[in-house]
Amino acid sequence: DIQMTQSPSTLSASVGDRVTITCRASQSISSWLAWYQQKPGKAPNLLIYKASSLESGVPSRFSGSGSGTEFTLTISSLQPDDFATYYCQQYNAYWTFGQGTKVELK
Amino acid sequence: QVQLEQSGAEVKKPGASVKVSCKASGYTFSGYYMHWVRQAPGQGPEWLGWVNPNNGGTYYAQKFQGRVTMTRDTSISTAYMELIRLISDDTAVYYCARGGVAGGRGDAFDIWGQGTMVSVSS
Repeated sequence: DIQMTQSPSTLSASVGDRVTITCRASQSISSWLAWYQQKPGKAPNLLIYKASSLESGVPSRFSGSGSGTEFTLTISSLQPDDFATYYCQQYNAYWTFGQGTKVELK
Repeated sequence: QVQLEQSGAEVKKPGASVKVSCKASGYTFSGYYMHWVRQAPGQGPEWLGWVNPNNGGTYYAQKFQGRVTMTRDTSISTAYMELIRLISDDTAVYYCARGGVAGGRGDAFDIWGQGTMVSVSS
C-alpha cells in the first residue's frame, strides 16, 4: 500500500500569512494527488486534483505543486475561512489519505 | 444541484451489521464510480472501496474484504454499503463520495455525502 505522510501535523498561522503544507508518498504516484479541506462536522471538500489543478469554485489563493513523491499545498494569504484541517490523497494505486494538517490561529 | 444524501445515524452492538444508503441527485448516477470512505474520531479518512453503478462491479480495500458489500439500485439512484461483524473500531463517520467516470481511470472525489455516524458499542 502507498503511505502518505503530511507535515506538519499542526500549523499555527495568522490571517494574511502564506502557508505551505507538505505531503510525501512512500513511492512515486506521478501527479495523481488531491488536496481536501475539512471543517469540523463536515465532509472533506476537494480543493486541488492532479497535484496542481484547481477545482471549480475554489479560491485562487489555493495552489498545489509537485510530482513523484513530494507535493505541497500553498495558501497564498490565509483567510479566516481557511482555518481547517487539510488532507492529501493519492489515487495512483487505489486511494490513500494522509493523516491531516490542522491549520489553527496563532 | 449535484448532491449525495445519506441515511441517518446508526447505533449497533458488536457482531451486528449496518447498511448505509446514499442517494444521488443532479447527475447521471450510472456515469460515475461511487466510493465509500470512513473517518474514525480524530483520524484521517480511510477508503473502503467502490461500486460501479453502471454494471454493479465492485472493488474493496483488502482490509475490508469479506466484511463489506457495496451495491446499487439504479432505479432510485442509490448506492449502499453494508458492513458486517461490527467491532468497536468500526465506530466512525461513513461517507459516500463520487469518483471518476465509470469505466475510466481512478480519480479524486469531487462530491461527498454529509456522512453517517455509525456507533458500535455494547
